[in-house]
Amino acid sequence: GENVEQHPSTLSVQEGDSAVIKCTYSDSASNYFPWYKQELGKRPQLIIDIRSNVGEKKDQRIAVTLNKTAKHFSLHITETQPEDSAVYFCAVWIQGAQKLVFGQGTRLTINP
Amino acid sequence: EAGVTQSPTHLIKTRGQQATLRCSPISGHTSVYWYQQALGLGLQFLLWYDEGEERNRGNFPPRFSGRQFPNYSSELNVNALELEDSALYLCASSLGSQRGETQYFGPGTRLLVL
Repeated sequence: GENVEQHPSTLSVQEGDSAVIKCTYSDSASNYFPWYKQELGKRPQLIIDIRSNVGEKKDQRIAVTLNKTAKHFSLHITETQPEDSAVYFCAVWIQGAQKLVFGQGTRLTINP
Repeated sequence: EAGVTQSPTHLIKTRGQQATLRCSPISGHTSVYWYQQALGLGLQFLLWYDEGEERNRGNFPPRFSGRQFPNYSSELNVNALELEDSALYLCASSLGSQRGETQYFGPGTRLLVL
């Protein structure tokens, strides 16, 4: 299947706290999982990605974890800052369908 | 290095007209993807071109079409425009896509159909 479910749809956290966004997928052959950040009126920007042969990847305050057995992966943002406020999209490369399928997006708001 | 570019930034058309959107990929990238992002919604896959060929298309009617030129730039054409075609159209490019390559997005063309 080509389903990618993303939760929550909105998330509000206090500055300095952590934020976690989760995505689940259905195609067990999926092998590439990027996360994009889209600020208002701007293009989606890749912030981190992970491939199926890796369980976790970290880049400063951002990390992604992948559980292939359970078919879910999560974005973790620590020590959140106001500039982290944006819409975040997960995506899954569906190998059989040869396309990138996006989640519905999470609107993250960081409260000062 | 220049990123993905798109033109025009905004386009206003009336129902029934045709729209042409253009995309230039990052230098060295051979794959170009088109996505539709309706207001407040996610990205819906439209088309994928690689090495001048259409490799895949999403669940959109045939009035959405395009092509890729020898220099890897691409054009998206939307015929017989309908009001619901109003959206942000995003182009992305990658180094080709055997197993899922990183896609880099352009700034988009905002199409408004009146």
